[in-house]
Amino acid sequence: EPEVTQTPSHQVTQMGQEVILRCVPISNHLYFYWYRQILGQKVEFLVSFYNNEISEKSEIFDDQFSVERPDGSNFTLKIRSTKLEDSAMYFCASRRTGYNEQFFGPGTRLTVL
Amino acid sequence: AQKVTQAQTEISVVEKEDVTLDCVYETRDTTYYLFWYKQPPSGELVFLIRRNSFDEQNEISGRYSWNFQKSTSSFNFTITASQVVDSAVYFCALRKETFGNEKLTFGTGTRLTIIP
Repeated sequence: EPEVTQTPSHQVTQMGQEVILRCVPISNHLYFYWYRQILGQKVEFLVSFYNNEISEKSEIFDDQFSVERPDGSNFTLKIRSTKLEDSAMYFCASRRTGYNEQFFGPGTRLTVL
Repeated sequence: AQKVTQAQTEISVVEKEDVTLDCVYETRDTTYYLFWYKQPPSGELVFLIRRNSFDEQNEISGRYSWNFQKSTSSFNFTITASQVVDSAVYFCALRKETFGNEKLTFGTGTRLTIIP
C-alpha cells in the first residue's frame, strides 16, 4: 500500500540555522499539507498546498517558513532561521482528488538546540 | 472558529474490556467532515475513519464502532474487546467542507492504555 514518506526521521540543528524537511507524498495525490506536534500536545496545521501554490496557512506559518514542490515527487518545508520553539514533530500529509482523508507520513522530529 | 474537545486525557482499561473515547466539536458550518486518527507509540498518525456531517449513520468496522450525533455535536469512538495493540493516543479532528479550507483541526487527544 502506498505511503507518505519523510526524511530525515530526526534532525538536530542549532538555533538560527536553516532546515529543510522532505516529504514524498503518495504518488497520485495532488493536495499536500504540513502539520506539527510539539511534544505531548495536539497536532497543529501549518500549511496546505495545491497546484503549486499555498491554498491555506495558519498563523504559525510566518515568513520563516516556506514550502516547495521542487519536482514531481518531493514536497519540502523550509524553516529559514530556526528557533528553540520550532522543536516539534513535523508531519507531512497528502490527499487524493475526490477523497477527504489526509494520509500522514511518519514525521520528522526536529530538535533545535 | 472550529474547535474539537476530547475531555478524556487518559484512559486505562483491562484487556478485553470495551472503551469509548469521547469527542465533542464546535463549528458554524452546516457541512463538515469528522475524522479519527490513531497515534501509536511509534509516533505516526494512522487514519481510522471519516464521517460526513450529512451522514449520521453509525458505523462498525470489526472491533471499532463510531457514534455520530449531530444534535449533540459528538463523534464518539468505541473499541470492543480491547487489545494491547490498541494502546495509543487517539485524535478526533474536524474539517470544513469547503475547497481551499482543508486544514484539520485536532483535539488534544486521548491516551488509551490497555492493561494486559
